[in-house]
Amino acid sequence: SAVISQKPSRDICQRGTSLTIQCQVDSQVTMMFWYRQQPGQSLTLIATANQGSEATYESGFVIDKFPISRPNLTFSTLTVSNMSPEDSSIYLCSVLRTGGPEAFFGQGTRLTVV
Amino acid sequence: AQSVTQLDSQVPVFEEAPVELRCNYSSSVSVYLFWYVQYPNQGLQLLLKYLSGSTLVKGINGFEAEFNKSQTSFHLRKPSVHISDTAEYFCAVRDNQGGKLIFGQGTELSVKP
Repeated sequence: SAVISQKPSRDICQRGTSLTIQCQVDSQVTMMFWYRQQPGQSLTLIATANQGSEATYESGFVIDKFPISRPNLTFSTLTVSNMSPEDSSIYLCSVLRTGGPEAFFGQGTRLTVV
Repeated sequence: AQSVTQLDSQVPVFEEAPVELRCNYSSSVSVYLFWYVQYPNQGLQLLLKYLSGSTLVKGINGFEAEFNKSQTSFHLRKPSVHISDTAEYFCAVRDNQGGKLIFGQGTELSVKP
């Protein structure tokens, strides 16, 4: 398995502000992803974080709202910009390791926008 | 494109009873199948996976699942549940070309004494 450290674990933010979430993995991974889990819902893929290049976003998600960085193989950030109460969700980092098709997940960041 | 349907949003069951959580998928290519568990206020933990080979796969905490290609199903079972199994369970699929992981809607398993 992979040990994934995600920070912060939770936060309460004012609308109109931005929050950057960090994801650190203990070993090199092939792919890193960011998911959103809205209250009582399943997980929705936001984007694939690509090392050294722009992230690949899923339909309905845009870079201006969710800028993502991945400067190296073990670290990525997701920023939730200009937040509104509708952004209140759990945001999860996920990784794939070399040689295995299963994804591993961080503990998530529980975001509340007031 | 793949999709996953979990047929039950909530499954209440008494302790020590057997349980089955149902999952059906659709895909035009061969896939990998997974079950994840999410305990309250935690991330997702892999329960078990089907990659190839034997259609009956065993996972952690006494759970097992059976892959049925003709019925495109991957139902999760446990012969005797514990209170501690209370959690949200997600079925997920990925195509074997390295595509993204697609999740079902989740099933809330509630084990009562």
